[in-house]
Amino acid sequence: DVVMTQSPLSLPVTLGQPASISCRSSQSLVHSNGNTYLSWFQQRPGQSPRRLIYKVSNRDSGVPDRFSGSGSGTDFTLKISRVEAEDVGVYYCIQATHWSSGTFGQGTKLEIK
Amino acid sequence: EVQLVESGGGLVQPGESLRLSCAASGFTFSGFWMSWVRQAPGQGLEWVANIKRDGSEIYYMDSVKGRFTISRDNAKNSLYLQMNSLRVEDTAVYYCASPGDYWGRGTLVTVSS
Repeated sequence: DVVMTQSPLSLPVTLGQPASISCRSSQSLVHSNGNTYLSWFQQRPGQSPRRLIYKVSNRDSGVPDRFSGSGSGTDFTLKISRVEAEDVGVYYCIQATHWSSGTFGQGTKLEIK
Repeated sequence: EVQLVESGGGLVQPGESLRLSCAASGFTFSGFWMSWVRQAPGQGLEWVANIKRDGSEIYYMDSVKGRFTISRDNAKNSLYLQMNSLRVEDTAVYYCASPGDYWGRGTLVTVSS
């Protein structure tokens, strides 16, 4: 079974400063078709998760360009270049390559310092 | 527009049953693995079950094995979760999702005497 591990679990950030979240998987997320199905989601309080990034580094429509994703294989990172107040919430990395167990990390709670 | 709409949640007593449904639209439902994911009040996401595109593979988290059954009807673009022998600790918002892509808004299941 694939285990997704995020760090840190809590991320206090000053407005306007950058933020970075790490996600590691216990197995490679490269699918047999060559794609890497690693996404990043944001969950604001009281809302369902919203996708920000898909296939490692592709930003969804309407997502501000201050969000970026990178990585390969088993190590991935979500970066926010300048944190804004609306970025408060919990961020999850979610893999869709392996399906025999859960597909997401524990979540990283971003708060404004 | 992609939509996943869950229904069937409610208040039940321990030991009782509920059947959740999820109606999908706006994407090729039969082309996606689907999941049920739950979130207890104030807690993170917790994977419950996965089902392959054609229903030929199914996986459950340990604590629901033997009590919950995930199923799908691709002709009706629908996903289901039959929950039996419900416990207080099953209380949560239950999301229908193709986790790396689409999420519903969730339906609340409360198990209490």
